[in-house]
Amino acid sequence: NAGVTQTPKFQVLKTGQSMTLQCAQDMNHEYMSWYRQDPGMGLRLIHYSVGAGITDQGEVPNGYNVSRSTTEDFPLRLLSAAPSQTSVYFCASSGTGDTQYFGPGTRLTVL
Amino acid sequence: GENVEQHPSTLSVQEGDSAVIKCTYSDSASNYFPWYKQELGKGPQLIIDIRSNVGEKKDQRIAVTLNKTAKHFSLHITETQPEDSAVYFCAAPSNSGYALNFGKGTSLLVTP
Repeated sequence: NAGVTQTPKFQVLKTGQSMTLQCAQDMNHEYMSWYRQDPGMGLRLIHYSVGAGITDQGEVPNGYNVSRSTTEDFPLRLLSAAPSQTSVYFCASSGTGDTQYFGPGTRLTVL
Repeated sequence: GENVEQHPSTLSVQEGDSAVIKCTYSDSASNYFPWYKQELGKGPQLIIDIRSNVGEKKDQRIAVTLNKTAKHFSLHITETQPEDSAVYFCAAPSNSGYALNFGKGTSLLVTP
């Protein structure tokens, strides 16, 4: 099993550009989440999904969209990137809804 | 939502000493408390977790204790080694119950 994979590892965007961060898991987990990590802030929940076709907002959802068309994939879309979205983004999956398994992260810089 | 407070933010110990990191939570209904270790440039990895029906859990040199009355839980690392140097996060279930709320992390440095 590859576990949770994320692409790209690094990305630089200009303000106003859009992009999609990819996340995939091969553990057949129902639950998937996106977090962002900023210095001194820990990890904050952006969006989560409890199964294909079902998503909901977390603590910091503004500026981000998600969809879950398959069990395996949970992409995160930035519609119009802002410097405040410079962060490290982690995707996680869970089979039980509590124990989370994290991907290696995407480091995003918005200029 | 669930508020998780973590202390200290930094901790420096000598190799062989013990390290203790403490977290408090606000929602008395929370029933699952994991600890994650994050090494530089990597994603967080689960190292130990505890559910509310037990007060302590051990796995070799690491242990977690839970005090439900006081709403706090702690990570204990004994006989620390330089490879224990990392950032450690505690967490508790989010409002939805399907994700986690994290503490702000403790940067542990173990010096030889």
